[in-house]
Amino acid sequence: QQQVKQSPQSLIVQKGGISIINCAYENTAFDYFPWYQQFPGKGPALLIAIRPDVSEKKEGRFTISFNKSAKQFSLHIMDSQPGDSATYFCAATSSGNTPLVFGKGTRLSVIA
Amino acid sequence: GAVVSQHPSWVICKSGTSVKIECRSLDFQATTMFWYRQFPKQSLMLMATSNEGSKATYEQGVEKDKFLINHASLTLSTLTVTSAHPEDSSFYICSASTGARETQYFGPGTRLLVL
Repeated sequence: QQQVKQSPQSLIVQKGGISIINCAYENTAFDYFPWYQQFPGKGPALLIAIRPDVSEKKEGRFTISFNKSAKQFSLHIMDSQPGDSATYFCAATSSGNTPLVFGKGTRLSVIA
Repeated sequence: GAVVSQHPSWVICKSGTSVKIECRSLDFQATTMFWYRQFPKQSLMLMATSNEGSKATYEQGVEKDKFLINHASLTLSTLTVTSAHPEDSSFYICSASTGARETQYFGPGTRLLVL
């Protein structure tokens, strides 16, 4: 499987700050890039997703930035809150019912 | 939004027994379902891809005779862990896709503990 590299492995952000998680991919056939949020003992929940035809997508406090030439994409969480503390996974896939390739995850802790 | 359920949410069984986990798409028809396992503090590892009415496609290293997958309808897929052993203890998560888009919706997971 082609890899998706995610960093950092863990992140501590103060309440109200910006959390930034980065991912890089290798397979140029990937054309769908979702981010998932997972709380302990729960399944991943789709947070936001982007396709290569746009460079940025914003939904509330969550923004994905996408750089096609660099094969990188990132998640920005604005005004981070303690309730955002979770593990975040980036993923990628190509068109059709092909499996998602996941990054290794980032454990985010937002402290007051 | 699309909802995927799993049953049971947790199960404890004795070594050597078999355990069946159900994955259901509640408000949409899932042409494809995926099964993952996740160890503590690790990412999701794809086990197999299941298309309705056909045999599952297993990832390299996943024993198809041990992890039996059935996708008999557009809303139900089952994973049976046969002759379970303590090393099979893990968090098993399914996801479902409509096929029209790449979005996968995940179930809440099933925690399996084999004693």
